[in-house]
Amino acid sequence: EPEVTQTPSHQVTQMGQEVILRCVPISNHLYFYWYRQILGQKVEFLVSFYNNEISEKSEIFDDQFSVERPDGSNFTLKIRSTKLEDSAMYFCASSEKTQYFGPGTRLLVL
Amino acid sequence: SQKIEQNSEALNIQEGKTATLTCNYTNYSPAYLQWYRQDPGRGPVFLLLIRENEKEKRKERLKVTFDTTLKQSLFHITASQPADSATYLCALPLGGGTGRRALTFGSGTRLQVQP
Repeated sequence: EPEVTQTPSHQVTQMGQEVILRCVPISNHLYFYWYRQILGQKVEFLVSFYNNEISEKSEIFDDQFSVERPDGSNFTLKIRSTKLEDSAMYFCASSEKTQYFGPGTRLLVL
Repeated sequence: SQKIEQNSEALNIQEGKTATLTCNYTNYSPAYLQWYRQDPGRGPVFLLLIRENEKEKRKERLKVTFDTTLKQSLFHITASQPADSATYLCALPLGGGTGRRALTFGSGTRLQVQP
């Protein structure tokens, strides 16, 4: 069964550093999303992407964040200058009708 | 503002019993509602979607109801098994509209099924 994959599974970085989280959505899906989940809290929407552009974003998704689909398979989330409060699990999802989530990248900012 | 409420207390039940989880929402008229399962350290897994014009939906041992007047959905697992132990998330489309919209999630209810 096709699935969404994410790399890396874990990332530790210093505050102020840039990180890029990578996702490979399910191949025939056209809609892509990033969500995050701070430990012990709810899953929160960050951004959705369709037809090579952002279709929706939340107030969390500020100028420090950007997304890109650099080729036909990858979908990336970049955090330009990480803060301590960016520490969370980041989930990529893709959809045709219902959303399928990847296993997540656990980001720890020190 | 739009709110989704799920019982934050864990639900503990005996194997074989029916588990019933509740999702209430306010300031919202969603076109559909979804239920997901999340295991510790893993991504949410889609279970069921129910539309505003549907009262009930079933899939194997799962049943979801959707009462748009009460602004409530109930999620039932019949003949529960220890493998059903997980956190169950209610999700609604942001802004409530139809189409492939991003989701807003409840905080989830943790279900523990005792053998």
